[in-house]
Amino acid sequence: EPEVTQTPSHQVTQMGQEVILRCVPISNHLYFYWYRQILGQKVEFLVSFYNNEISEKSEIFDDQFSVERPDGSNFTLKIRSTKLEDSAMYFCASAQRVENGYTFGSGTRLTVV
Amino acid sequence: QKEVEQDPGPLSVPEGAIVSLNCTYSNSAFQYFMWYRQYSRKGPELLMYTYSSGNKEDGRFTAQVDKSSKYISLFIRDSQPSDSATYLCAMSDMTGGSYIPTFGRGTSLIVHP
Repeated sequence: EPEVTQTPSHQVTQMGQEVILRCVPISNHLYFYWYRQILGQKVEFLVSFYNNEISEKSEIFDDQFSVERPDGSNFTLKIRSTKLEDSAMYFCASAQRVENGYTFGSGTRLTVV
Repeated sequence: QKEVEQDPGPLSVPEGAIVSLNCTYSNSAFQYFMWYRQYSRKGPELLMYTYSSGNKEDGRFTAQVDKSSKYISLFIRDSQPSDSATYLCAMSDMTGGSYIPTFGRGTSLIVHP
């Protein structure tokens, strides 16, 4: 069964450093998303991406965040200057049709120290 | 404010029991309702989705939506230890074609042999 692949599975970074989280969505999917889940809290929407541009973003997705689809297969989330409160699981998701729900990846656990 | 309320549990049941998982919501504009299952250290996996009030059945799972009460349920029949996971409800108002769901915080289910 097709799956969304995320790398790395765990990343530890120092506060203030830049990190790039990588995702390979399902190949025939058109809609791409990043979510995060702080330990013990809700899954929170960050950003959606369609037709090579951001279609929606949440208040969390401020200027320190950016997304790219550099080569037609990868979908990346960059955090420019990490803060301690950015520590969370980051999930990538993709969908062929949004009304059919998303397929999530297994996540990247980001730890900022 | 879009809010979805879900009891975090844990809910512990014996194998074979019927499980009832519930969410309430405050936004009457929500039209699209989903249930996701999340195993430890994995991404959410879509179980079921529905647009309307009433019941939808898929194998041992039944999703129920009562829009008048702003209440949704997921029933699991003949529960198995492999059903042990966190169950997330999610819902969307589809405003302007957006399907970005708001998630509940999840209910932890433990099915013991």
